[in-house]
Amino acid sequence: EVQLVESGGGLVQPGGSLRLSCAASGFTFSSYEMNWVRQAPGKGLEWVSYISSSGSTIYYADSVKGRFTISRDNAKNSLYLQMNSLRAEDTAVYYCVFGRAPYYFDYWGQGTLVTVSS
Amino acid sequence: EIVMTQSPATLSVSPGERATLSCRASQSVSSNLAWYQQKPGQAPRLLIYGASTRATGIPARFSGSGSGTEFTLTISSLQSEDFAVYYCQQYNNWPPTWTFGQGTKVEIK
Repeated sequence: EVQLVESGGGLVQPGGSLRLSCAASGFTFSSYEMNWVRQAPGKGLEWVSYISSSGSTIYYADSVKGRFTISRDNAKNSLYLQMNSLRAEDTAVYYCVFGRAPYYFDYWGQGTLVTVSS
Repeated sequence: EIVMTQSPATLSVSPGERATLSCRASQSVSSNLAWYQQKPGQAPRLLIYGASTRATGIPARFSGSGSGTEFTLTISSLQSEDFAVYYCQQYNNWPPTWTFGQGTKVEIK
């Protein structure tokens, strides 16, 4: 059974940093491209970042470019999102996601809540 | 950025009735469109990809249609478990700047 378990969320002050992790199991993690998608409280979904299966190709939404860094460790079956210079508008549930194709998302974690507030 | 606009924002439907949800793209996305269902407190679930292909395990009462800029998700006979929020997502561009609609809430009438 595919499982994606996010962790690392919490309360952080504006300008602060946080590192999210996603532990993957039940599939060959190193074969799949991965993404982060977020959802602000009571709002819709926003794609955040993409990483290729090897980690060599990375893309970001304009809203996080230059502040967030996606990475992966295929030996540890783990995906990460380093978030720096956090803003109030980054407050959201962050989901680790992937799909049978890179572009849509069959599998979602349960999400981890990041709250940016003073 | 391709803007996805869903209508209506809220749809009130009685169980057993048909529900028709719309999604419009600000420019053509070909058939590169997915639909998701999200229930309160849960992660979204993929329903449809390629505008009309049901994902694994999705009941036949869910169907998708459209191409270009106009898309429709139809639920032929609403079951109690179908009351949820539905999102469309376009994935027409590479490098990715994938975008979602703002959602349609299907509520019990």
